[in-house]
Amino acid sequence: GENVEQHPSTLSVQEGDSAVIKCTYSDSASNYFPWYKQELGKRPQLIIDIRSNVGEKKDQRIAVTLNKTAKHFSLHITETQPEDSAVYFCAASPGNQFYFGTGTSLTVIP
Amino acid sequence: DSGVTQTPKHLITATGQRVTLRCSPRSGDLSVYWYQQSLDQGLQFLIQYYNGEERAKGNILERFSAQQFPDLHSELNLSSLELGDSALYFCASSEYTGNTEAFFGQGTRLTVV
Repeated sequence: GENVEQHPSTLSVQEGDSAVIKCTYSDSASNYFPWYKQELGKRPQLIIDIRSNVGEKKDQRIAVTLNKTAKHFSLHITETQPEDSAVYFCAASPGNQFYFGTGTSLTVIP
Repeated sequence: DSGVTQTPKHLITATGQRVTLRCSPRSGDLSVYWYQQSLDQGLQFLIQYYNGEERAKGNILERFSAQQFPDLHSELNLSSLELGDSALYFCASSEYTGNTEAFFGQGTRLTVV
C-alpha cells in the first residue's frame, strides 16, 4: 500500500519567516494530496489540497507544490504568524482511503 | 463546525470493558473513516466504510469492529479494553472515496483506567 513520509517532525521559525514541510509518497496511483492543520486538542482541518494534474496551488500565505516524477509534495507557509503554530499533516490518496504522514509540529516564535 | 458529529466527546472506562463510539457524517457524505490518535502521535487509519460497506482496513485490532448503518452513521466498537487503547478517536467523512476532501469530527477522547 501507500507509504507517506513527512519531514521534519518538528520545526521552529521566527515570526515572519517562511516554513517548509516536505512529504514523499510511494504509490504512483495517488492523485490527491491534502494538507491538514491540527491545533492542540482540536480536530484536523483541511488547509489546502492539490491534485495530480496540478504542479502548484496557492491560497494567500500558503502554497503547495507537487512533483509527480519524484513523488514528493511540499507545504510552504510564508510570513508565518504565531497562530500558524500547530501540527501539520500531509496525506496522499490513490482514490480510496487517505494515507497520512506522521505530522510536523510547527512553532512560530514571536 | 465540520458537520461531522461524534459522540461522546469524552469517555472514561475500565480495562476489560467494551465501548461504542458514534459518528454522524456530513449530510450527503457516503464515506466514513475512523482514525486513532495516541498522545503526540499521528493519525492511524483504522477502517473505512462507503455507503454501508467496508471499503478499506488499516491497523485495526481484532478487538475493534465497526459498521455503517443504512442512515450512513457509523459506530466503532472497542472491546476488552486495555490501557494502551487510551487515545483520541476521530471519525472523518467525505462525499466519495479518498480523493475528495475529508472532514473530521471533534473526536472522542477515550481514557482506559
